[in-house]
Amino acid sequence: GENVEQHPSTLSVQEGDSAVIKCTYSDSASNYFPWYKQELGKRPQLIIDIRSNVGEKKDQRIAVTLNKTAKHFSLHITETQPEDSAVYFCAAPPPGRRALTFGSGTRLQVQP
Amino acid sequence: DVKVTQSSRYLVKRTGEKVFLECVQDMDHENMFWYRQDPGLGLRLIYFSYDVKMKEKGDIPEGYSVSREKKERFSLILESASTNQTSMYLCASSTPGRGRGNTIYFGEGSWLTVV
Repeated sequence: GENVEQHPSTLSVQEGDSAVIKCTYSDSASNYFPWYKQELGKRPQLIIDIRSNVGEKKDQRIAVTLNKTAKHFSLHITETQPEDSAVYFCAAPPPGRRALTFGSGTRLQVQP
Repeated sequence: DVKVTQSSRYLVKRTGEKVFLECVQDMDHENMFWYRQDPGLGLRLIYFSYDVKMKEKGDIPEGYSVSREKKERFSLILESASTNQTSMYLCASSTPGRGRGNTIYFGEGSWLTVV
């Protein structure tokens, strides 16, 4: 099945700095790569996703980049704010399943 | 707005008890899932279902079973709860989407403690 590895497990940045979280996946046929944000005590929610026919996608301060050759994708958050503090999960679809395999999560803390 | 509702937010059960976790979605989604969330391990897939009365094992099905009698409802069953099943359980649903990828919508989660 799909193996998704996520780094780092924790990340602390100063408000206004950028944050980057990286994930690698194992199945070269994977074609959909979402990122979920989970605030403390709340459900994970989709914040951005990318399909394999594009290399980058942006939505205001967040962007995702995809390198299919190297089988990795990254979440970029610019001008971080305290409300960006949360756990972020990357994911990819395992072969033959309409499910998602998630990475182990990154706890981002934005220091004011 | 998609709504996935888990009936119990916090439960405390005794070792050996049979535990039912209920989940309902209101968006007529075909796919439903149960994930388990543990610190440092991310979200791990327990079981999923493509359709009524249909189920497939995920990555960690041991000690669990599921039931999907109606399209909107997906139940997770712990036949004999054990302390290592103390965890946060997340129900989710999705439409088939394009290719293998589709947006998954999560419920609020059920915190289960087995003592």
